[in-house]
Amino acid sequence: EVQLVESGGGLVQPGRSLKLSCAASGFTFSNYYMAWVRQAPTKGLEWVASITNSGGSTYYRDSVKGRFTISRDNAKSTLYLQMDSLRSEDTATYYCTRSHTIDYWGQGVMVTVSS
Amino acid sequence: DVVMTQTPVSLSVSLGGQVSISCRSSQSLVHNNGNTYLSWYLQKPGQSPQLLIYKVSNRFSGISDRFSGSGSGTDFTLKISRVEPDDLGVYYCGQGTQYPYTFGAGTKLELK
Repeated sequence: EVQLVESGGGLVQPGRSLKLSCAASGFTFSNYYMAWVRQAPTKGLEWVASITNSGGSTYYRDSVKGRFTISRDNAKSTLYLQMDSLRSEDTATYYCTRSHTIDYWGQGVMVTVSS
Repeated sequence: DVVMTQTPVSLSVSLGGQVSISCRSSQSLVHNNGNTYLSWYLQKPGQSPQLLIYKVSNRFSGISDRFSGSGSGTDFTLKISRVEPDDLGVYYCGQGTQYPYTFGAGTKLELK
């Protein structure tokens, strides 16, 4: 069974940093692209970033470019999202998702940016 | 960016009925490799989204044949037949043809 379990969320002040992790199991992690998708409270879905299966290429939405870094450790089957210079508009539930077609989703982790 | 326009915003249906949701993209979703990366998701209240349909018309593992997807290019449709209580929630279309990946604003399916 495919499982994606996020951790690392919480309340953080504007301008500070947070690092999310996603532990994957139930599939060969190194074979799949991975992505982060977020959802602000009562809003729709917004893709944040993607990474190729080797980690050699990464892609970001413009609003997080230069502030967020997606990475992975294939030996640990873990996906990461380093979030720096956080803003109030980054407040959302962050979902770890699998593959190009975004087929599996984690349960989500809440990130609240507020003073 | 590819803009995904979903209609209607909300839909009321009787149990056992049939509904259709439309999704239109601002650009063709045909990838250079010939695939069309248009997916449909359902987010039930308090849950993560779940994949229903991928590449326009392919049902994901475990998804009932009451769900069907169709369309091409820029116009796509999700049909749900014999609606059941477990089908209620918000439906999203999403494109994975080009970055940034984008989603429609959602269609809320409610009971009449």
